[in-house]
Amino acid sequence: DAGITQSPRHKVTETGTPVTLRCHQTENHRYMYWYRQDPGHGLRLIHYSYGVKDTDKGEVSDGYSVSRSKTEDFLLTLESATSSQTSVYFCAITPASGSYEQYFGPGTRLTVT
Amino acid sequence: GQQVMQIPQYQHVQEGEDFTTYCNSSTTLSNIQWYKQRPGGHPVFLIQLVKSGEVKKQKRLTFQFGEAKKNSSLHITATQTTDVGTYFCAENTGNQFYFGTGTSLTVIP
Repeated sequence: DAGITQSPRHKVTETGTPVTLRCHQTENHRYMYWYRQDPGHGLRLIHYSYGVKDTDKGEVSDGYSVSRSKTEDFLLTLESATSSQTSVYFCAITPASGSYEQYFGPGTRLTVT
Repeated sequence: GQQVMQIPQYQHVQEGEDFTTYCNSSTTLSNIQWYKQRPGGHPVFLIQLVKSGEVKKQKRLTFQFGEAKKNSSLHITATQTTDVGTYFCAENTGNQFYFGTGTSLTVIP
């Protein structure tokens, strides 16, 4: 599946704590994306990256930050987790510039108590 | 941003019946992708459509892009239990993707 891994796969954390989720890919893809998936909302884009140190906001970026210091890693940080950020988080890549195909990682289930 | 509406939200069919999910937009879409997500799994890319009126087939699955590029459909002929899952459409504008809310398909054996 496009060599994408996510860690951790499951996490329970308390409100107000910082959380970092990691997406790792092995195939040098330029474009990487973070989504959240919630019942009734489908997948919503949080942030995306189009290269090392090049990132941009998606439609639901408030409360999230990202970093990409290496091609293979795209990190999503919740600076101060809230219960509304309980969700399943998916990382995705597109295999080429101008491609519309996306390939997803296995997901991280995050619960904020 | 773009808004892609998908209907129905849920569909239960008897095994062997056909199934269709629809994706609609109030604006012209430049492209459409379709994905399938099995329960507990991640979305898996199925196909992309870019041309007005385009029709593509994958075995029992038929994908269509409307002539006005404002709607798309996925049709499954003679459903099987392996077709269970949620089907999403998505549209790309610039570097951003906008997903429909999905249609959850249950196949009753």
